[in-house]
Amino acid sequence: GENVEQHPSTLSVQEGDSAVIKCTYSDSASNYFPWYKQELGKGPQLIIDIRSNVGEKKDQRIAVTLNKTAKHFSLHITETQPEDSAVYFCAAPIRTGGGADGLTFGKGTHLIIQP
Amino acid sequence: EAGVTQFPSHSVIEKGQTVTLRCDPISGHDNLYWYRRVMGKEIKFLLHFVKESKQDESGMPNNRFLAERTGGTYSTLKVQPAELEDSGVYFCASSQVRDGELFFGEGSRLTVL
Repeated sequence: GENVEQHPSTLSVQEGDSAVIKCTYSDSASNYFPWYKQELGKGPQLIIDIRSNVGEKKDQRIAVTLNKTAKHFSLHITETQPEDSAVYFCAAPIRTGGGADGLTFGKGTHLIIQP
Repeated sequence: EAGVTQFPSHSVIEKGQTVTLRCDPISGHDNLYWYRRVMGKEIKFLLHFVKESKQDESGMPNNRFLAERTGGTYSTLKVQPAELEDSGVYFCASSQVRDGELFFGEGSRLTVL
């Protein structure tokens, strides 16, 4: 099945600076790469995703880049704000012998925005 | 429209006891998933329902865990008997289409003492 590695586990940046979180995946057939944000006491929420037919996608201050050759994708947050503080998870489609759909997740990155 | 709801939000039980977690997916979502996050680790897949059928339960840790989705609506996840290592946050998610966005509930935190 798919294996997703995520780095760093903790990232502290000054408010207004940029933050980058990176993930690698193992299954070259994977074609969908979402990023989820989990705030304290809440469930993960999709913030941006990318499919394998494009290399980059932007939505205001967040962007995701995908390198299929190297099998890695990254989340970029520019002009960070205090409300960006959360745990971020990358994910890729799960591949199980039973044919389940759904996602396999990285271990998460705790992003801390310093005022 | 209501999101995915989970109950209870937090459960504290002693080793050997039984706990049942409930998930109500978004109405109309045939796909329902259970995930678990143990402290500091990844959100790990447990199983996937399509309507009332178990599509895959390969992520279930062992036979102390039993998931059901009677009638293809809400789902329950029972842990019996609970062990210390079962502590964590159990997330339920639903989706309308496969390989699409998962909508997560707020999770049920299980603490086994």
